[in-house]
Amino acid sequence: GAVVSQHPSWVICKSGTSVKIECRSLDFQATTMFWYRQFPKQSLMLMATSNEGSKATYEQGVEKDKFLINHASLTLSTLTVTSAHPEDSSFYICSARVEDRKYTGELFFGEGSRLTVL
Amino acid sequence: GDSVTQMEGPVTLSEEAFLTINCTYTATGYPSLFWYVQYPGEGLQLLLKATKADDKGSNKGFEATYRKETTSFHLEKGSVQVSDSAVYFCALSGGSGGYNKLIFGAGTRLAVHP
Repeated sequence: GAVVSQHPSWVICKSGTSVKIECRSLDFQATTMFWYRQFPKQSLMLMATSNEGSKATYEQGVEKDKFLINHASLTLSTLTVTSAHPEDSSFYICSARVEDRKYTGELFFGEGSRLTVL
Repeated sequence: GDSVTQMEGPVTLSEEAFLTINCTYTATGYPSLFWYVQYPGEGLQLLLKATKADDKGSNKGFEATYRKETTSFHLEKGSVQVSDSAVYFCALSGGSGGYNKLIFGAGTRLAVHP
């Protein structure tokens, strides 16, 4: 299967600082990547759809100025949590869709990045 | 809108017990259905999928059959192992949200003890 990698896998930062999380597709090109947030013992919530070369599409209720998404190339999307606060602490997971018929509808997920804001 | 409902956990079983995790869905059109597994501290991994009615997805001893008449995609395994302890998510795509969006259930935590 296709491989998606995230970095860092965990990060601790002080309140008020910004944190950048990278999501890379290692063996395929991804025109579309997705960012999810997972609260403890809950399901994944789609935050935004990242499109290569254009602005991200944010889900309702997600602050676009708070969660900056950049998809500068076909293999890299970044999520920057700006002016992070403790309530932003969460597990962030990216995924990518493979443009291949045999993977119709299937997304491949990164390992996730656990953010802790002190 | 589209939605996925799965049984609440945690599900606690002894090793070699039979597992069933129920999943039902609501969607327009003809969605694809998936089961993802999340091991502690890791991201999600696709466990199995089915893209049309009556298809059976299978992998690592797990099975699920796409039942359009009951809008269900229940996950089963005949004999669980301690290593199967994880959170299992049922999901769909291709409904009203299109294939770009995966709609997840709330997840079911499985704990298998020796």
